[in-house]
Amino acid sequence: GAVVSQHPSRVICKSGTSVKIECRSLDFQATTMFWYRQFPKQSLMLMATSNEGSKATYEQGVEKDKFLINHASLTLSTLTVTSAHPEDSSFYICSANPGQGDSNYGYTFGSGTRLTVV
Amino acid sequence: GQNIDQPTEMTATEGAIVQINCTYQTSGFNGLFWYQQHAGEAPTFLSYNVLDGLEEKGRFSSFLSRSKGYSYLLLKELQMKDSASYLCAVLDSNYQLIWGAGTKLIIKP
Repeated sequence: GAVVSQHPSRVICKSGTSVKIECRSLDFQATTMFWYRQFPKQSLMLMATSNEGSKATYEQGVEKDKFLINHASLTLSTLTVTSAHPEDSSFYICSANPGQGDSNYGYTFGSGTRLTVV
Repeated sequence: GQNIDQPTEMTATEGAIVQINCTYQTSGFNGLFWYQQHAGEAPTFLSYNVLDGLEEKGRFSSFLSRSKGYSYLLLKELQMKDSASYLCAVLDSNYQLIWGAGTKLIIKP
C-alpha cells in the first residue's frame, strides 16, 4: 500500500532554533502534500498545502515566514519551523493522496513528528 | 461556517457493537472519510463514502446519508485494540478536508 515516511518522529529543540521535518512518499508521486498540526485532544488543523514546484498555500492564521514549506520534488516535502518557541510544541503530521486525486484511496498520513520546544 | 460534529467520547464492551455518529454542514460535499487514530500516532484510513448507503469492510462499516448530512461508523465484535479516536472528515467543494474533533472510543473488558 501507499506509504508516507515522515521524520524525525520526535525532536526536542531549544527556543529560538529551527527544526526541519521531512515527508516522503515512498511508492507514489505526490504533487500535493498537506501539513497538519494537532494539539492534545484536539482535531487535526490544516496548516498548509504543499505544491510541487510552486509556492505552498497557507491557511489563515499560519505564518508563512515561520513555517517554511519546500516541495522540491514529487516525493519530498519539508516543513521548517523557524525560531521555534514553546507554543510551537505540537504534533505535526503530513499527508498525501496516493490516488492522484482519487479519494477512494484515502489520504495517507506520515507517522507524525512530536516537536517539543524547551 | 463549516462544521463537523461527533461525540467526544464513547464507551463500549469487548465483543459488542458500537456506532459512532457524525453530522456535517459544509460548503459542498465530495465525500466523507473515517480515520482511526491511536494515541500519539498518525491517523490511518478506514473508509470513504461519497454515495448514500452502507459500505462494509470486515468488522467496520460506514454509512452515509447526504440529504441528512449524516454518517456513522459501525464497529462489530469489538476488540481491545479498537480503543482509539475515530475521526470523521468531509471533503468540501474545494476539495479541502474538514475534520471533526474525533470520538475517543474506550473499550472495556
